[in-house]
Amino acid sequence: GENVEQHPSTLSVQEGDSAVIKCTYSDSASNYFPWYKQELGKRPQLIIDIRSNVGEKKDQRIAVTLNKTAKHFSLHITETQPEDSAVYFCAASIGTGGFKTIFGAGTRLFVKA
Amino acid sequence: GAVVSQHPSWVICKSGTSVKIECRSLDFQATTMFWYRQFPKQSLMLMATSNEGSKATYEQGVEKDKFLINHASLTLSTLTVTSAHPEDSSFYICSASEGGGQPQHFGDGTRLSIL
Repeated sequence: GENVEQHPSTLSVQEGDSAVIKCTYSDSASNYFPWYKQELGKRPQLIIDIRSNVGEKKDQRIAVTLNKTAKHFSLHITETQPEDSAVYFCAASIGTGGFKTIFGAGTRLFVKA
Repeated sequence: GAVVSQHPSWVICKSGTSVKIECRSLDFQATTMFWYRQFPKQSLMLMATSNEGSKATYEQGVEKDKFLINHASLTLSTLTVTSAHPEDSSFYICSASEGGGQPQHFGDGTRLSIL
């Protein structure tokens, strides 16, 4: 089955700096890669996603890149702000919605003011 | 749009009690719902996948007789933790998708504490 590894487990950056979180997956059939942000005690919220037919996607300060050959994908947050502090999860699934999603272990991001 | 409501948000009960958690999609029809368990400072572990009108598919290591899942309609799925014990204490969270290439949307989760 699918296995998703995520690094680093903890990331601390200064406000305004960039943050990068990396994930690898094992199942080459996976074709949908969402990223979720989870604040303490709250629901995970989808912040960006990418499908396998695209190499990069950007939404304001957030971007995701995908390398299907190497089976890894990354989240990039630029101009970080204190409110970006949260746990970020990458995930991989075959298809979207109706297919099960396997999550990475999570990255706890601290943005210092 | 894409709102998922989960109730209750917090449950404390005695060992041996059965607890039912509801997950509702409020503004869309959820073809598939997922149930996850999350331990403190850990990732979301998929417990089972349920499609409306079908039996749930459980992940390896998840006891189907312990965690009963029902997905009777396109807007409601329930998870019943039967004869709960302290080791069942955890954060349970559901998600729902309307399929057709749409992503999962999560409920607020249920914090279950078994005394």
